[in-house]
Amino acid sequence: GAVVSQHPSWVICKSGTSVKIECRSLDFQATTMFWYRQFPKQSLMLMATSNEGSKATYEQGVEKDKFLINHASLTLSTLTVTSAHPEDSSFYICSACDSGTGVYEQYFGPGTRLTVT
Amino acid sequence: AQRVTQPEKLLSVFKGAPVELKCNYSYSGSPELFWYVQYSRQRLQLLLRHISRESIKGFTADLNKGETSFHLKKPFAQEEDSAMYYCALGRGGAAGNKLTFGGGTRVLVKP
Repeated sequence: GAVVSQHPSWVICKSGTSVKIECRSLDFQATTMFWYRQFPKQSLMLMATSNEGSKATYEQGVEKDKFLINHASLTLSTLTVTSAHPEDSSFYICSACDSGTGVYEQYFGPGTRLTVT
Repeated sequence: AQRVTQPEKLLSVFKGAPVELKCNYSYSGSPELFWYVQYSRQRLQLLLRHISRESIKGFTADLNKGETSFHLKKPFAQEEDSAMYYCALGRGGAAGNKLTFGGGTRVLVKP
């Protein structure tokens, strides 16, 4: 089946530093990937749509300069949290659409827990 | 704006009892509705979608456009059904089907 991985699974960083999170589709190509954020005991909130070879599209209220997204290949999208602050601490989840099936089902990664101290 | 509401945060039922998870949505376009499930320590995975009209693991869901609902039902709950369930609304068409999630319902099936 379609598998999506994320790296790292958890990360702790100091306030003011930047953190990069990778999302990979392991056995399929994904022209479209999505990045979500999940606060404790809350639902997933879509942050942005990552399109291979073009700029990401961000949801309203999400700072594009704060959350940099790069989708340089058909199997990799990265989310960089720049100048992280404690309020950026959250669970970040990516998903990828298998562009080869025509079904556009989203396959989710296991998530990355970011803690900013 | 689109919105998905799951009114129950927690549903506790006994094994063998019916279970129904409520989901209501608001969307001005043509909706695509999904149910996702997240078992303990596992990632989110698709349970079923309204366009498939299929039963997965004994679960069914019918899209009621008049009531703007997509409730998930299972006649006889099993302990392995204990999980977090999310209703989601798809928008944006086939390419880049953006999802708006409901708040989730935790289902606990007691023996």
